[in-house]
Amino acid sequence: AQSVAQPEDQVNVAEGNPLTVKCTYSVSGNPYLFWYVQYPNRGLQFLLKYITGDNLVKGSYGFEAEFNKSQTSFHLKKPSALVSDSALYFCAVRDPFLGGYNKLIFGAGTRLAVHP
Amino acid sequence: EAQVTQNPRYLITVTGKKLTVTCSQNMNHEYMSWYRQDPGLGLRQIYYSMNVEVTDKGDVPEGYKVSRKEKRNFPLILESPSPNQTSLYFCASSSPTRRGRTGELFFGEGSRLTVL
Repeated sequence: AQSVAQPEDQVNVAEGNPLTVKCTYSVSGNPYLFWYVQYPNRGLQFLLKYITGDNLVKGSYGFEAEFNKSQTSFHLKKPSALVSDSALYFCAVRDPFLGGYNKLIFGAGTRLAVHP
Repeated sequence: EAQVTQNPRYLITVTGKKLTVTCSQNMNHEYMSWYRQDPGLGLRQIYYSMNVEVTDKGDVPEGYKVSRKEKRNFPLILESPSPNQTSLYFCASSSPTRRGRTGELFFGEGSRLTVL
């Protein structure tokens, strides 16, 4: 079965420092991987996805993610964190076998806190 | 503006009182889905619909019903709500992942339901 793990409940970063939010996955077949962000009292917003091709994927708001097949990881990164990046981040993998072709299996989420 | 609209955004109700959470999308998406978000569990799929009159259970369907009579609408029905259905609910829609389409899910703003 497809699954996603986000090992950190919370990540604390100083503004201007690089940030990494970790995600590992387990899938049957080729993975379709996603990152979403949730700001307070808002829905989830799509950040980026990996389907195939270049292992470094660039997304919205200066975020990028690195797909590593050997380590089954898809960590989210940003070179310089902003206070406005503080939010809840979800990693997800598509499960095409159940739940329709665009069903996503989500991790538990990681809360990112960027301090001034 | 492309969007997924849910109503109500907030609702407090009592055990056993039937309620409906509406969801509407204006992107002509075929695929729609309902998720619930609970702390430490991420988002879990409740029901999904591949197209009009085509619906099926997700991972946590117990206590919920859905219908898809029109392409744009996908209401979530709680016939007899119970306290364990207190949660944050998200409706999502997408187009198929094909050439020229990104296939990511678009989420509504969420509906916070409290069942007393």
